[in-house]
Amino acid sequence: SQQGEEDPQALSIQEGENATMNCSYKTSINNLQWYRQNSGRGLVHLILIRSNEREKHSGRLRVTLDTSKKSSSLLITASRAADTASYFCATDFYNQGGKLIFGQGTELSVKP
Amino acid sequence: EPEVTQTPSHQVTQMGQEVILRCVPISNHLYFYWYRQILGQKVEFLVSFYNNEISEKSEIFDDQFSVERPDGSNFTLKIRSTKLEDSAMYFCASSGNYRATDTQYFGPGTRLTVL
Repeated sequence: SQQGEEDPQALSIQEGENATMNCSYKTSINNLQWYRQNSGRGLVHLILIRSNEREKHSGRLRVTLDTSKKSSSLLITASRAADTASYFCATDFYNQGGKLIFGQGTELSVKP
Repeated sequence: EPEVTQTPSHQVTQMGQEVILRCVPISNHLYFYWYRQILGQKVEFLVSFYNNEISEKSEIFDDQFSVERPDGSNFTLKIRSTKLEDSAMYFCASSGNYRATDTQYFGPGTRLTVL
């Protein structure tokens, strides 16, 4: 299957700590996108990283992409209670009409 | 900031009834998508749409489903005869240009409950 797999499935940390979530996939991609979802709500786009990029930053977020290992990681630094949410990676594969394949997600809990 | 909007936020229907879920994509976007998320499961692709045609569809998107862009702003998903297993959150998304591997922006979703 093409789908991305994420780990860990759940992560619980204290406010101020860093959170790292990983995503792996199986076939060549155009890009990989990270989304956040608060419980029962919509998907908020965080970062898009293209297949020819290795690292991107946005505020407290850092995303890396290793196409040789077919994996990506999302690092949230200095976490806050408001970062509590589910985080999903979504991969855009070649010649797939732009469809995104989502992973199962990592449920992050940041305790104040 | 432009955003994707969806109506209604929650739709309750009886099994066998037709439902139409509505979306207003970001105004200058060209590519439109529907996804769904069954409670507790991951987000699944249903269909992509460009230039008044379906670009790609998943196995889920069978003959009971159809999409339409009836005017310059709306994008709809119709389920002809709903089943219990159609209960899910349905998300609309749009992007400027998927060939340029552009970001897909998602709406807040419509929660469909089939009784």
